[in-house]
Amino acid sequence: VQLVESGGGVVPPGGSLRLSCAASGISFSFLGMHWVRQAPGRGLEWVSFMGFDGSYGEHYADAVRGRFTVSRDKSTNTLYLEMSGLKPDDTAVYYCAIFAAPEDHWGQGVLVTVSS
Amino acid sequence: QLTQSPSSLSASVGDRVTVTCRASQGIVGALAWYQQKPGKPPKLLIYDASTLQSGVPSRFGGSGSGTDFTLTITSLQPEDFATYFCQQFHSYPEVTFGGGTKVEIK
Repeated sequence: VQLVESGGGVVPPGGSLRLSCAASGISFSFLGMHWVRQAPGRGLEWVSFMGFDGSYGEHYADAVRGRFTVSRDKSTNTLYLEMSGLKPDDTAVYYCAIFAAPEDHWGQGVLVTVSS
Repeated sequence: QLTQSPSSLSASVGDRVTVTCRASQGIVGALAWYQQKPGKPPKLLIYDASTLQSGVPSRFGGSGSGTDFTLTITSLQPEDFATYFCQQFHSYPEVTFGGGTKVEIK
C-alpha cells in the first residue's frame, strides 16, 4: 500500500484548498480512509473519514464540520479533502491514513499553511 | 477523550519507561500505540491494547483495558527517543489520539 498526498501550500485566512491522496495497493477489505492533521509541534488530530462502501459514510471532526468535505474518485483510487473557510488554526501537516490493524498505512504528509 | 501522561520525560539508555493513557469512558481494549520521529508519519507499535505489531522489538509492551492503558519500554534504546501517541478506535471511524509523550535523552 502506498499513499501519496499532494495539494498543500500557503492560503490566506478564509481561503480554500483541495488536498489529494493517491492510493495504490489498496485492499478491498479496508473499511475506508482517514485524514489526520498535526499542527507544528503539536499532537495528532483526526479530521475526517470516508468509507469505501456505503456502510460507514463520511465523518468529520467538530472543528472542521461544515468547512471541509471529503470525497473519493474510485476510478483513480484518489481521496480528496476540500477545505474552505480556512483559519490559521488549520495550519498543519495533513496525512491520509488507513487504520486496519495489523495493517496501518500513512502518507508522508502535506503542509497546509493558513496565513496572510 | 484520551489523556496521556507524562507529556514529556527524560530517560537514559537502558531505563524502563512507562507512558499512560486514560480514556474518558470505557473503550474495552480498542487502543493502539504509535511512535513518531521528527518529519515522519507515526508508526504503529501496538494494537488491541497489547498486541505487538510485526517487526516491533519485544522491549515494547502494552497493557490495560477499559479506561487505563500503559505503554512500557523495558530497556530504552537510542532509537527509541521519539514521541509516543495513544489512539482509541472504540468509536471507529471517529478515532481520537492522546496528546503525546516526548521521550528525550537524559
